[in-house]
Amino acid sequence: DVKVTQSSRYLVKRTGEKVFLECVQDMDHENMFWYRQDPGLGLRLIYFSYDVKMKEKGDIPEGYSVSREKKERFSLILESASTNQTSMYLCASSSPGLAGIGYEQYFGPGTRLTVT
Amino acid sequence: AQSVTQPDIHITVSEGASLELRCNYSYGATPYLFWYVQSPGQGLQLLLKYFSGDTLVQGIKGFEAEFKRSQSSFNLRKPSVHWSDAAEYFCAVTRGGYNKLIFGAGTRLAVHP
Repeated sequence: DVKVTQSSRYLVKRTGEKVFLECVQDMDHENMFWYRQDPGLGLRLIYFSYDVKMKEKGDIPEGYSVSREKKERFSLILESASTNQTSMYLCASSSPGLAGIGYEQYFGPGTRLTVT
Repeated sequence: AQSVTQPDIHITVSEGASLELRCNYSYGATPYLFWYVQSPGQGLQLLLKYFSGDTLVQGIKGFEAEFKRSQSSFNLRKPSVHWSDAAEYFCAVTRGGYNKLIFGAGTRLAVHP
């Protein structure tokens, strides 16, 4: 059974703290993604990675960075947390597919982050 | 630019009633389309996907969706809703390479007994 796990289900941090969200997949997938989910906005792509140490910005990368040192692990870093980063964060992974399209993404359970 | 529109933010149906959730997309080439479901406090689970071929696609949990190119739509249907179907539903379309997706804003489904 495929599995994407995230390090925390709930997290409370203070403004200005550095925050690490961890994601691990056991499917040997090349592609991994970080999204944030906000009511009425759906899922918005923050960053994605298509190989170890390779990453590209998504639609809303400001205030975030990522790290992928091993194929199975993709970390999202909030350099200095702010209250507007309070959100649900979802990690996903997928195979590259034919010509880079057509395969589904598998999601973790999410981390609900509150920044106070 | 690619986009996905889910016109209904909230839908309420009675248990046993039929269901149709709407999804319209904007995509220049042949789209790859997905429906995902998110139960409360959970991640997203794939219900079904359309890549090519038969425009009526069957998924898990008794759901189906029909791709209509002329209407740029990919509506999700179920003939008889169960209370356990209460969840949020997301339509998504592929965007470029690396299996990136664009998601709609979601439709939250409530089921009355």
